[in-house]
Amino acid sequence: DVKVTQSSRYLVKRTGEKVFLECVQDMDHENMFWYRQDPGLGLRLIYFSYDVKMKEKGDIPEGYSVSREKKERFSLILESASTNQTSMYLCASSSSDGGAFEKLFFGSGTQLSVL
Amino acid sequence: DQQVKQNSPSLSVQEGRISILNCDYTNSMFDYFLWYKKYPAEGPTFLISISSIKDKNEDGRFTVFLNKSAKHLSLHIVPSQPGDSAVYFCAASVINNNDMRFGAGTRLTVKP
Repeated sequence: DVKVTQSSRYLVKRTGEKVFLECVQDMDHENMFWYRQDPGLGLRLIYFSYDVKMKEKGDIPEGYSVSREKKERFSLILESASTNQTSMYLCASSSSDGGAFEKLFFGSGTQLSVL
Repeated sequence: DQQVKQNSPSLSVQEGRISILNCDYTNSMFDYFLWYKKYPAEGPTFLISISSIKDKNEDGRFTVFLNKSAKHLSLHIVPSQPGDSAVYFCAASVINNNDMRFGAGTRLTVKP
């Protein structure tokens, strides 16, 4: 059974803290993504990566960075957390098998609260 | 600027009836469309997809219709079941591109 695992289900952090959200997939997928989900806005793409050490900005990269040192792991970093980064964060992965786009597999999400 | 729009935040239907969820998009480059279903405390899961070379794709009780000229797609669920109650997200992408754009979601409630 395929799996995308996010390290924390709930996180509470203080304004100004550096926050790390970890995501691991066991499907040998090339592509990995970070989205945030907010009411009325749906899922918005923060960053994605199509290969180790590669990263691309999504629609809302400001205030975030990412790291992909290994194929199976994609980390989202909030350099200095702010209250407007309180959100549900979803990690996803997909395959690039044959060059065709494949559907995304999502983790269960991390609900981050910044106080 | 949201390129994928779901204008109905919620929909309530009776068990056994048809559920129709709608989605509009603005980017004419999109050529691959998907629907995801999300239960509380879980990540979204893939439900059904359609490429732009088709206007209909069916999988059991779920059918997706695509109207390219109107930049509109819809998901039909027939018959609706209480277990279908969830948030449904419409998504779109360009094939061979690595990002995907999502709508805001529609919360479907199927009443017994």
